[in-house]
Amino acid sequence: GENVEQHPSTLSVQEGDSAVIKCTYSDSASNYFPWYKQELGKGPQLIIDIRSNVGEKKDQRIAVTLNKTAKHFSLHITETQPEDSAVYFCAHNTGNQFYFGTGTSLTVIP
Amino acid sequence: GAGVSQSPRYKVAKRGQDVALRCDPISGHVSLFWYQQALGQGPEFLTYFQNEAQLDKSGLPSDRFFAERPEGSVSTLKIQRTQKEDSAVYLCASTIGGSSYNEQFFGPGTRLTVL
Repeated sequence: GENVEQHPSTLSVQEGDSAVIKCTYSDSASNYFPWYKQELGKGPQLIIDIRSNVGEKKDQRIAVTLNKTAKHFSLHITETQPEDSAVYFCAHNTGNQFYFGTGTSLTVIP
Repeated sequence: GAGVSQSPRYKVAKRGQDVALRCDPISGHVSLFWYQQALGQGPEFLTYFQNEAQLDKSGLPSDRFFAERPEGSVSTLKIQRTQKEDSAVYLCASTIGGSSYNEQFFGPGTRLTVL
């Protein structure tokens, strides 16, 4: 499958601080970049997405940036809360196939 | 139901047994995806249906894996002669349309353990 590198693999932040997760992809034809949150024992849930014709998108405390030239995109969570603790996955598409990163385990310390 | 459901939630099989995993997508959703998620990894694409048509099965790891969606709703992923390396969580997702921009709604997964 298409290579998606995701960093860091684990991240601990104090409540109220920001968290940033970065992904790099290789397929220049990719045009859709979703981010998912997965809690223990559950399936991934979409939290935000961005299309290739947009450089940045924000939804309350969550934002995503995309640099198509460099083929990387990032998730930014501000004012983190304990309920943000979960595993986060980036993904990108090649047509209707989706390729996921290896995940970032985020822990928000109260 | 309101979301995607999968059954069973947990399955233990002896090596060599056949298993069948079921996915009930959100009613009316056109597209259905199957993924395999190994421990500590991201989901890996297995196959994709649009209605009853299997449009992409390039992710199926071997000919022991077979998926169907005969009436364009419920889907079954079958694994024949299970091997230890098949142990993983199998996730199903559905989308309302056939566009790659449509949000994928995931089920809780079936955790398969092959002994």
